[in-house]
Amino acid sequence: DAGITQSPRYKITETGRQVTLMCHQTWSHSYMFWYRQDLGHGLRLIYYSAAADITDKGEVPDGYVVSRSKTENFPLTLESATRSQTSVYFCASSRGTGEGEQYFGPGTRLTVT
Amino acid sequence: KQEVTQIPAALSVPEGENLVLNCSFTDSAIYNLQWFRQDPGKGLTSLLLIQSSQREQTSGRLNASLDKSSGRSTLYIAASQPGDSATYLCAVRGSSNTGKLIFGQGTTLQVKP
Repeated sequence: DAGITQSPRYKITETGRQVTLMCHQTWSHSYMFWYRQDLGHGLRLIYYSAAADITDKGEVPDGYVVSRSKTENFPLTLESATRSQTSVYFCASSRGTGEGEQYFGPGTRLTVT
Repeated sequence: KQEVTQIPAALSVPEGENLVLNCSFTDSAIYNLQWFRQDPGKGLTSLLLIQSSQREQTSGRLNASLDKSSGRSTLYIAASQPGDSATYLCAVRGSSNTGKLIFGQGTTLQVKP
């Protein structure tokens, strides 16, 4: 009963590098989400996906790319990391049409130096 | 644009006290509202989900109410314990089929022994 997992849990990278954060869920939930959490801004949606091969932008998508070739995986890529992308990133999922509860992963703390 | 506000930002109470956390939202056209708990350095744990057609939900010592017309929700915690110390977040899902959540900034609760 793994639920929703994220890897790595901690990552330090340099400005300009590409980095991918992984998210995996075992519930076969249709919907998956990426949020970032920052002091003063709270949690903000980056991207979401309603199903495999269907993704859409959230509130703060610039600088990020997502893909969803399989229902259970939803990786988030920072194409060229910037210091403003230093944050805690949370992946979440929910079943059905998205009206159910959202379940969150443990988060990835990313530092861009 | 939906905005979610939680007041107060921080609250300190002695153990055993009953307490109420407040959440308000500007657009009453919501699908549901979800309360989460977040411990320091951890992910979000779902506490209660209230659908727009419901008035309240209960789980153990927790009771959440929803008044859509006034744009308010409250989370009632009975007989508080030191283990309840955490940040409590409310989030609303707007009237769209995306499952996106809009979060408040949270109330950080400290329960003193």
